[in-house]
Parts: sequence; structure tokens; C-alpha cells
Amino acid sequence: DAKTTQPPSMDCAEGRAANLPCNHSTISGNEYVYWYRQIHSQGPQYIIHGLKNNETNEMASLIITEDRKSSTLILPHATLRDTAVYYCIVRVDNAGNMLTFGGGTRLMVKP
Amino acid sequence: KAGVTQTPRYLIKTRGQQVTLSCSPISGHRSVSWYQQTPGQGLQFLFEYFSETQRNKGNFPGRFSGRQFSNSRSEMNVSTLELGDSALYLCASSLFTPGTLNEQFFGPGTRLTVL
Repeated sequence: DAKTTQPPSMDCAEGRAANLPCNHSTISGNEYVYWYRQIHSQGPQYIIHGLKNNETNEMASLIITEDRKSSTLILPHATLRDTAVYYCIVRVDNAGNMLTFGGGTRLMVKP
Repeated sequence: KAGVTQTPRYLIKTRGQQVTLSCSPISGHRSVSWYQQTPGQGLQFLFEYFSETQRNKGNFPGRFSGRQFSNSRSEMNVSTLELGDSALYLCASSLFTPGTLNEQFFGPGTRLTVL
């Protein structure tokens, strides 16, 4: 699976959009971009995934650049409950269910 | 629908002992994966089971083992415990559809402390 690079930490004001970047410059054509988050003392939670088109669900939006070498997870209106570590993962579609987690980004949403 | 359950939630053992952790997947999920989380190494994949067979294995010593039962419940075992095995052990379950990615649902984890 391709290696990802994320900033170790970010702050965001409550109610504002949180934009979390991820670099995956060595991604291959059949690798998807997945985002999970882990709130303190809980197991990771799936957020969203995509291949090359932008995706949106009830939790977030995922913007993938045209060359697919980077992506941004957008939480449109961050709340205090969004404070967590966010993990960007890239993986192929037939690799079983193994996830390779990097260091992630610790997002702190402040009042 | 009940989520992934893990028992026990907390466990304290001493070096040299062995430990067995249990995971009950979401009803209907047939794939179970285990992860170890430590402050130093982060989240690391241990192994994945489907239909009682190990499909993938991470880079851990043979002291770490697992199994899956016919009802999809899974157990992992760590023998001859070392201080470095102190960690949060997470279990995740998912549906399994060949050739596709499946969302994984994580349990709350078992916090193991080795003294």
C-alpha cells in the first residue's frame, strides 16, 4: 500500500470548516483513499473513501486532486466532538481487510 | 444492531503469563481483524480471519496467535507476555465481498497492561 503523509496536528475553531490534507504521491491507479478517525479511548471509525472522484456523505467530503497525489478531508462545520486523530489510508481493492495506519493528524476543535 | 464487542475491556497480567482476548463481530460479518495500538508504534495490523481461516498476518512474533470460530467470533492469544505487549488491542469486523473493499467497524478495544 502507498505511504501517506499527514501533518501531525491541526487546530480548528468550532463551527468552521476543518480541512485535513493528506499526501499520497506514490499512489497507484487501483488504490483507494480511505479516511478513519479515532476519538480518544475509542476504536477507529470509518468516515469516507474514494478513488478519483470527489465524495460526500453525512459526515464529510473528500476532495482528491486530479493527479491523485493528494487529498483533503473536509468537515464542513466542525464541532467539539470532532476532536480526534484522523487517519488517511490508501489501499488496493482486493487486499483483504488489512489497514495500514500512519501517524494521522490530531485535530483539536476549539470553542 | 449491536456493534463489535470485546472482552474483557481491561486486563492486567505479569510478564511470562499468557492472555486470551475475545471479539464478537457485528451480526452477519464474517471477517475479523485484530490490531495493536501503542504510543510508540501506533496502530499496527496483527491478523485477519475469514471463515475460520487466517487471510493476512502482520509482522508480529509467533507469540501472537488467533483463531476464528464457526459463528465468526474470534480470539487472540499472546503467550509469554512481555512488558512491550502492553497496548490497546482492537478488533474490527466487516462483511466480506471478494474483490471489493469493505468498511471495517471497530470495537472499543481491550486495554492490556503487563507488569
